[in-house]
Amino acid sequence: GQNIDQPTEMTATEGAIVQINCTYQTSGFNGLFWYQQHAGEAPTFLSYNVLDGLEEKGRFSSFLSRSKGYSYLLLKELQMKDSASYLCACMDSNYQLIWGAGTKLIIKP
Amino acid sequence: ETGVTQTPRHLVMGMTNKKSLKCEQHLGHNAMYWYKQSAKKPLELMFVYSLEERVENNSVPSRFSPECPNSSHLFLHLHTLQPEDSALYLCASSRARDGGNEQFFGPGTRLTVL
Repeated sequence: GQNIDQPTEMTATEGAIVQINCTYQTSGFNGLFWYQQHAGEAPTFLSYNVLDGLEEKGRFSSFLSRSKGYSYLLLKELQMKDSASYLCACMDSNYQLIWGAGTKLIIKP
Repeated sequence: ETGVTQTPRHLVMGMTNKKSLKCEQHLGHNAMYWYKQSAKKPLELMFVYSLEERVENNSVPSRFSPECPNSSHLFLHLHTLQPEDSALYLCASSRARDGGNEQFFGPGTRLTVL
C-alpha cells in the first residue's frame, strides 16, 4: 500500500531551527511536495522536490533522497507565524498526491 | 487569496437534505480536485477533473456526486449524507495534473451533518 509518515507534533523555540521529516512508500514517484496549513485555513504550497538534494527558498529548505524514500523540511529563524501544520505529499505514478496526516509545529517564545 | 473560491464556507444539513458545494478558480487551470479533510487524518482525494473530464474517483460513496460544467467551475452535490461525512471539504486547482504543478486550495466548506 501507499504510505506517508511524518511526526504528529513538534515544538520549537522562536529563532531556532527545526527539521520535519517525512518518509514515503508509493507506487511510482513523480515528486514530493510540502504544504503549510494554518489552523482554519487552506493548505498553501511551500516546495517541490523531484531530484535528490536540497532546495532552498528563503528561511525554508526541502531535501529529498529518493533511494531512501525520505524528505525533510528545514525551517530556520523560526517566527511565531510559523506555527502551523506542515503537510508532506508524494505524487505517485498516476499523478495522484498521497498525503501525510501533517505535523503540527508549535513555536514557543 | 489563492484565486480559488468556495461557497458556502459553512454548511449544516440533515441526513435527508440535498445541498451543493461550489468551487470556482480564476487561474486558468485545467485540473480541479475535491478533497475531504477530517481532524488528524490525511487529506483524502475524492475526485479529479482534467480538462472537464473526470479522471479519478477514489471509491467515494454515491451520495457524493461531482459536476464540472466548465474548466473554471466545480460542484459537489450532496444527498442523504451520514454524520461521519462531517468534515472540511477542500477544492483545489492546478495548471495540469502531472509534473510539479502545485495545487492551489480554496478556503474550504466546513460541513456538519446532523
